Amino acid sequence: NAGVTQTPKFQVLKTGQSMTLQCAQDMNHEYMSWYRQDPGMGLRLIHYSVGAGITDQGEVPNGYNVSRSTTEDFPLRLLSAAPSQTSVYFCASRGYEGPTDTQYFGPGTRLTVL
Amino acid sequence: RKEVEQDPGPFNVPEGATVAFNCTYSNSASQSFFWYRQDCRKEPKLLMSVYSSGNEDGRFTAQLNRASQYISLLIRDSKLSDSATYLCVVPSGTYKYIFGTGTRLKVLA
Repeated sequence: NAGVTQTPKFQVLKTGQSMTLQCAQDMNHEYMSWYRQDPGMGLRLIHYSVGAGITDQGEVPNGYNVSRSTTEDFPLRLLSAAPSQTSVYFCASRGYEGPTDTQYFGPGTRLTVL
Repeated sequence: RKEVEQDPGPFNVPEGATVAFNCTYSNSASQSFFWYRQDCRKEPKLLMSVYSSGNEDGRFTAQLNRASQYISLLIRDSKLSDSATYLCVVPSGTYKYIFGTGTRLKVLA
């Protein structure tokens, strides 16, 4: 199993550009989520999905869109990039390892918006 | 009060020392709690879960104090490889997790 994969690993955008961060998991987990991590702020939930076709907003959803057409994929779209969206983005899927509820994170995408 | 609060550290300890971190939470309805470990510029990984009063796994012990609304992580016989940031995680409702900002640990040779 590859677990959770994310692409790209690094990205530089100009203000106003749009892009999609890709996330895929091969563990057949229903629950997937996107976080951003900024210094001193911890991980903050952007959007999450509890299954194909079902998404909801997290703590900081503004400026981001998601969709979930398959169980495996959960892309995050930046509609019009702003410098405030410079951050490290982590995708995660959630499932049970034995009795333990576990979130598995992808390796992250480091995004800089100029 | 923040939903999840941690001392950012850093905690600098010598190899072999015992070190403990606390994490306070505000949602008294939370039933399960987690400690994740994050190495520099890497993704977080689950270290331990706490569902009742405590959990032990080798050199690591996690304890829960519901009355005072905090969980702790105790690391015995610290190794250089334990150097990392430790994130406290508390569920918020059925689908959301709230992450603390993390406590940095440096184990010194």
